[in-house]
Amino acid sequence: GENVEQHPSTLSVQEGDSAVIKCTYSDSASNYFPWYKQELGKGPQLIIDIRSNVGEKKDQRIAVTLNKTAKHFSLHITETQPEDSAVYFCAASYGSWGKLQFGAGTQVVVTP
Amino acid sequence: DVKVTQSSRYLVKRTGEKVFLECVQDMDHENMFWYRQDPGLGLRLIYFSYDVKMKEKGDIPEGYSVSREKKERFSLILESASTNQTSMYLCASSQLGRVSYTFGSGTRLTVV
Repeated sequence: GENVEQHPSTLSVQEGDSAVIKCTYSDSASNYFPWYKQELGKGPQLIIDIRSNVGEKKDQRIAVTLNKTAKHFSLHITETQPEDSAVYFCAASYGSWGKLQFGAGTQVVVTP
Repeated sequence: DVKVTQSSRYLVKRTGEKVFLECVQDMDHENMFWYRQDPGLGLRLIYFSYDVKMKEKGDIPEGYSVSREKKERFSLILESASTNQTSMYLCASSQLGRVSYTFGSGTRLTVV
């Protein structure tokens, strides 16, 4: 099956700085890579995703890059703000029936 | 606003009790999932269902069962709760053929 590794487990950044979270996956058949943000007391929410035929995707201050050859993908948050503080999960699709394998999560803390 | 609703935010149960966790979605989604979230382990798939009365085991099905009698409702059952089932439980749904999940807010279960 699919195995997704996510680093770092915690990330502390100053407001205004950039944050980068990296994930690797094992199944070369994976073709969809979403990122979820989980705020305290809430369920994870999709913030950005990328498909295997695209190398980079941006949405305002967040961007995701994908390197299929190396089987890794990354989330980049620029100009971080306190409301970016949350747990972020990467995921990779696998098998049939639309399943996702999640990474272990990254706790991001943005300090003013 | 489309939703996945989990019936309880917090539950405390005794060892050996039969526990039901309920999840309802109003999006007419075919796929529904139960995940368990533990610190450092991310989200692990317990069971999923791609249609009424259909179910498939995920990565950690031991000690759990599920029921899907109606399209909108997916129940997770702990036949005999144990302390190692203390965790956050997340329900999610997605359209058939899509891998974009909508999550509920989670149920934090404590087994004492």
